[in-house]
Amino acid sequence: ETGVTQTPRHLVMGMTNKKSLKCEQHLGHNAMYWYKQSAKKPLELMFVYNFKEQTENNSVPSRFSPECPNSSHLFLHLHTLQPEDSALYLCASSQDWGRTGELFFGEGSRLTVL
Amino acid sequence: GESVGLHLPTLSVQEGDNSIINCAYSNSASDYFIWYKQESGKGPQFIIDIRSNMDKRQGQRVTVLLNKTVKHLSLQIAATQPGDSAVYFCAEMGQAGTALIFGKGTTLSVSS
Repeated sequence: ETGVTQTPRHLVMGMTNKKSLKCEQHLGHNAMYWYKQSAKKPLELMFVYNFKEQTENNSVPSRFSPECPNSSHLFLHLHTLQPEDSALYLCASSQDWGRTGELFFGEGSRLTVL
Repeated sequence: GESVGLHLPTLSVQEGDNSIINCAYSNSASDYFIWYKQESGKGPQFIIDIRSNMDKRQGQRVTVLLNKTVKHLSLQIAATQPGDSAVYFCAEMGQAGTALIFGKGTTLSVSS
């Protein structure tokens, strides 16, 4: 148990669906992250929120829309995805942004786009 | 026994052996390095970190070595156990306020 909980663990969606991934951290951290993990590729940073403000958007397509209502919750809204978006989406948190490399990851949401 | 060399996508060792996992980083401005372990079905887990003012740091059964001259990082695991079987990632960070950049992972398989 890392203190970071992601739901759902598995999601299958069609290209026209709208769905959301949820992340919650119970660690009192100030920074939260979305990473994409595809087979045979390094982890790709998608978004960073620090004190609820977005600090990084790593050229992510607009079909991915993050939302951070407070420091403990992070969402990734998905809309009209492509099959190549199928991947493991990992949420992480850290005490602060840009000073520590110790991120606490959730177990991920495995997304399959048909 | 030990296995050394350039980055390998997979590494197989016997239980009780020492393991060495290598990583080459690209940005000479990076000054902070981290190793993560990812077990099957789980997210990555922080193992150990090292800053560029050090060339060696030890943890419990793990040692990280940093060679800034050749931009090379290694993770040594002593007396490897089956529970060490996982994918290991190195990550680098440049100046404060920049994102972690993860490298390609190495899959460590430990046989009994």
